[in-house]
Amino acid sequence: EVQLLESGGGLVQPGGSLRLSCAASELIFSGYAMSWVRQAPGRGLEWVSGISESGGNTYHADSVKGRFTISRDNSQNTLHLQMNSLRAEDTAVYYCAKERNGGVLDYWGQGTLVTVSS
Amino acid sequence: SSELTQDPAVSVALGQTVRITCQGDSLRRYFASWYQQKPGQAPLLVIYGKNNRPSGIPDRFSGSSSGNTASLTITGAQAEDEADYYCHSRDSSGNHRVFGGGTKLTVL
Repeated sequence: EVQLLESGGGLVQPGGSLRLSCAASELIFSGYAMSWVRQAPGRGLEWVSGISESGGNTYHADSVKGRFTISRDNSQNTLHLQMNSLRAEDTAVYYCAKERNGGVLDYWGQGTLVTVSS
Repeated sequence: SSELTQDPAVSVALGQTVRITCQGDSLRRYFASWYQQKPGQAPLLVIYGKNNRPSGIPDRFSGSSSGNTASLTITGAQAEDEADYYCHSRDSSGNHRVFGGGTKLTVL
């Protein structure tokens, strides 16, 4: 069974940085595109960033463009999200998710909470 | 604002059929996928593509699409189906992904 385990969340001050990681197991990690999705407290799901199988193509939502960077290390089966210039509105649970064909998110991690507050 | 629009809340009597809809221009070109989320849990894929269910999803869940509208139908809703449901697809550019605002399903 595919497993995705996020880490790196925590409390950070506005303007600060955090790096999230997602460790994947029981899958050929380099064969799949991946995404980060977040959910603010009491709110809906928001797609944040996506990356192609090789890492050559990356995409970011307008709300995080220029501040967040998605990357992957296929040798370590790990997905990352570097988050800079964090704002209060970035407070959310961040999920990593595996994509199958067509951008469908068929496996999700349990999420890691990021809280941006002074 | 989301490029995919869902009704915020829908209710259904136990054992009855309910349809949850998702509207957006990108759905004329791309299929939607549907996710169930219960409190405190990660989302779970329930329908993708034209009308495909992942392994383990009951066959009372089905999907359809017409024009700019995608639908998730639960035929014979059960108490355990009470959850938030989100549609998901590509945006108009095709490169980004987008979620609908979510529909809270109450089973009466």
